[in-house]
Amino acid sequence: DTGVSQDPRHKITKRGQNVTFRCDPISEHNRLYWYRQTLGQGPEFLTYFQNEAQLEKSRLLSDRFSAERPKGSFSTLEIQRTEQGDSAMYLCASSPLGQGSHEQYFGPGTRLTVT
Amino acid sequence: AQTVTQSQPEMSVQEAETVTLSCTYDTSESDYYLFWYKQPPSRQMILVIRQEAYKQQNATENRFSVNFQKAAKSFSLKISDSQLGDAAMYFCAYPSNFGNEKLTFGTGTRLTIIP
Repeated sequence: DTGVSQDPRHKITKRGQNVTFRCDPISEHNRLYWYRQTLGQGPEFLTYFQNEAQLEKSRLLSDRFSAERPKGSFSTLEIQRTEQGDSAMYLCASSPLGQGSHEQYFGPGTRLTVT
Repeated sequence: AQTVTQSQPEMSVQEAETVTLSCTYDTSESDYYLFWYKQPPSRQMILVIRQEAYKQQNATENRFSVNFQKAAKSFSLKISDSQLGDAAMYFCAYPSNFGNEKLTFGTGTRLTIIP
């Protein structure tokens, strides 16, 4: 296992379509995060899983967004009825569970373009 | 709410010289961590250096060091002997203390290395 992977790397979709992204974290990591990064900005937190439980969702995550992490392994992020404002880089990160603050390992991201 | 401010959108430095990137943050916590992450063009974000607030000694990782001023809530990154591979976006980040450790990022500083 060489790190966090995300699929696809790029996605172009038309407004109103649904899209789904996948993240495979580092295998022994209990924590999984989704962030969104728009051009010229730092990543913004979207949601967080500890094992299979989704423990927090940002206000940025409207009801068109849903995320899952079945069996506490890979995670999917689905956006329904995409809008042009959803165009961004979607980053996944994972980290181990334990005392102290741990480094989050980031994937390469999925760049979404909504036309 | 936690905020992280990076006031330098872009910086440039001659190869082999030293550059300092600034970051200020706002928190009511007394014990926390601070991170600097590097995001090279079209590559994954990686951790550069971590500082624990209760440690008075500034963190150092090879050519990278921080100047942590807790009272001023300032956390600057110094890169010594700059190399071409240091060219990237640099983000200052603050993890939440409330169990999930979600990261709040600054807007980033784009560092250019001049050969």
